[in-house]
Amino acid sequence: GAVVSQHPSWVICKSGTSVKIECRSLDFQATTMFWYRQFPKQSLMLMATSNEGSKATYEQGVEKDKFLINHASLTLSTLTVTSAHPEDSSFYICSSEPGTSGSYEQYFGPGTRLTVT
Amino acid sequence: SQQGEEDPQALSIQEGENATMNCSYKTSINNLQWYRQNSGRGLVHLILIRSNEREKHSGRLRVTLDTSKKSSSLLITASRAADTASYFCASRRGGANSKLTFGKGITLSVRP
Repeated sequence: GAVVSQHPSWVICKSGTSVKIECRSLDFQATTMFWYRQFPKQSLMLMATSNEGSKATYEQGVEKDKFLINHASLTLSTLTVTSAHPEDSSFYICSSEPGTSGSYEQYFGPGTRLTVT
Repeated sequence: SQQGEEDPQALSIQEGENATMNCSYKTSINNLQWYRQNSGRGLVHLILIRSNEREKHSGRLRVTLDTSKKSSSLLITASRAADTASYFCASRRGGANSKLTFGKGITLSVRP
């Protein structure tokens, strides 16, 4: 199946700093990528839909100026958590699907665990 | 917002037993998918069922869909300790590249 990678797998940063998370589709072109956040023992919450070459679409309640998304190429989308605070500590997961697969199956990255101290 | 609800929230069974997990959703859908997540890891796609399908099988997995009740069930037969994980249903209203709406998840523990 298709492979989606994320980098880094975990990161610890100090409050007030910014952190960038990368999501890459390794063997397919991803015109659309999705960014989720997952708190411990909870489900995935969609944060935004990232579209290659255009602005991301954010879900209600997600601050677009705090969670900057850039999808500059067909294989890379980045999520930057700006001025991170402890409440931003979470597990961030991206997903995408091969546009030509026709299966509607999404492939998820392994996730990035962010801890803000 | 999350629209799916799974039940039970947690399930503990003995190895070899069957595990049944249920999911409900609120809007019309194009398809419904089940995913598995091991602790602290990404999600793995298990099975997809389209809105015009009622039942689907894949190995030890059997999923059903009742669009009139807006519900789905996932059955894992002959469970193994390695099946211990969290399971999520995710509904999709649109086609390709449309977003998934995840349920709250079910934690399955299979005792050896």
